[in-house]
Amino acid sequence: GESVGLHLPTLSVQEGDNSIINCAYSNSASDYFIWYKQESGKGPQFIIDIRSNMDKRQGQRVTVLLNKTVKHLSLQIAATQPGDSAVYFCAEPENSGGSNYKLTFGKGTLLTVNP
Amino acid sequence: EPEVTQTPSHQVTQMGQEVILRCVPISNHLYFYWYRQILGQKVEFLVSFYNNEISEKSEIFDDQFSVERPDGSNFTLKIRSTKLEDSAMYFCASSGNGPSLDGYTFGSGTRLTVV
Repeated sequence: GESVGLHLPTLSVQEGDNSIINCAYSNSASDYFIWYKQESGKGPQFIIDIRSNMDKRQGQRVTVLLNKTVKHLSLQIAATQPGDSAVYFCAEPENSGGSNYKLTFGKGTLLTVNP
Repeated sequence: EPEVTQTPSHQVTQMGQEVILRCVPISNHLYFYWYRQILGQKVEFLVSFYNNEISEKSEIFDDQFSVERPDGSNFTLKIRSTKLEDSAMYFCASSGNGPSLDGYTFGSGTRLTVV
């Protein structure tokens, strides 16, 4: 697991601080985005999603902001806890028909929370 | 909470050998997927499967790869003649109907090591 961090942007925060993780996208027609959390040795886990008709969406301790003008997405985690340590990916679903979606993932950011 | 189950968790194989990676999707889901993640890189889409046929596949999913749903519960990925560059984590995912993808669920992955 440690070697994953050598290839990824990293963010290191103190426990209790707020974290902001960023993602840029290129397709101005994109209308749906998802943030995933990937803990070491596990698959991606859904955190929160947002559609392009919204600028902001809040969940439990997480907020996603969407700036369509600059094609930028951010994930804010409030009061970061050691259990939040993981790699975070933004992903863009592409509909392949019906409810069949192909996910295109961004590069990911490794968040490390120091106690 | 429903889970996607993958076996084995780790598979080591000789170059040129065939491997079959197994997945049990969530029982009421209709859409099934395989993704891979080379160490330190982002998660990449391989293939989607619906109604007993491939819906979409990426350029990675060449003739060496195949998928099958041999019965009502399993979904498999076969690599016919493995290459060193096939070494990666392979994630199975499944999803149901609905406008939100919060139910698009990934398994914990199979780590494939080709030697």
